[in-house]
Amino acid sequence: EAQVTQNPRYLITVTGKKLTVTCSQNMNHEYMSWYRQDPGLGLRQIYYSMNVEVTDKGDVPEGYKVSRKEKRNFPLILESPSPNQTSLYFCASSLSKAVTLWGQGVDTGELFFGEGSRLTVL
Amino acid sequence: GESVGLHLPTLSVQEGDNSIINCAYSNSASDYFIWYKQESGKGPQFIIDIRSNMDKRQGQRVTVLLNKTVKHLSLQIAATQPGDSAVYFCAEAAYGGSQGNLIFGKGTKLSVKP
Repeated sequence: EAQVTQNPRYLITVTGKKLTVTCSQNMNHEYMSWYRQDPGLGLRQIYYSMNVEVTDKGDVPEGYKVSRKEKRNFPLILESPSPNQTSLYFCASSLSKAVTLWGQGVDTGELFFGEGSRLTVL
Repeated sequence: GESVGLHLPTLSVQEGDNSIINCAYSNSASDYFIWYKQESGKGPQFIIDIRSNMDKRQGQRVTVLLNKTVKHLSLQIAATQPGDSAVYFCAEAAYGGSQGNLIFGKGTKLSVKP
């Protein structure tokens, strides 16, 4: 079954304790991305990766790190979590960026999302 | 999960009626638009997309309309069902834009009354 898997789904931690949220996809997608979702603010992009060893900042990268050592995995790292990072996090993947797909005549730039990881930082 | 729906515009419709969810996008250079559906406790799911060279596209029970003149996108759901209750997001992307990535709207909560 094609899917994006995130772990953990729920986590309560304390300020300053490093944590990693893992993300894995089994669709051989090149593009992967992390979003955070907060009430009233919608989905905001944290980091994205176009391919292995290629990562770029999104709209809200401060306080986060990512790595892309393998095509299927894209972990999100919080080196020193703070309470303002309490949020619902989503990992997503697609064949490529939406507009790149469009330019190549592919019909969809669909992003496949994981089920989400709810993080609380006390 | 549940907190996603807080502070959002809400559309309440009767089961069987048609629903129209609206979205105003911000970038006149956006070329590509997608609608996503997010059910409580789940990640967003793709519904339908449309390119800027089209003004209408139809799927199964859904239609997306694009008005580039006023930068407006709408999602029409025919014969709305209880399973359609969710938060709906529009997203836009611009070829050659800041990153070419999807920019999501804040969402609209659809509530279907049986």
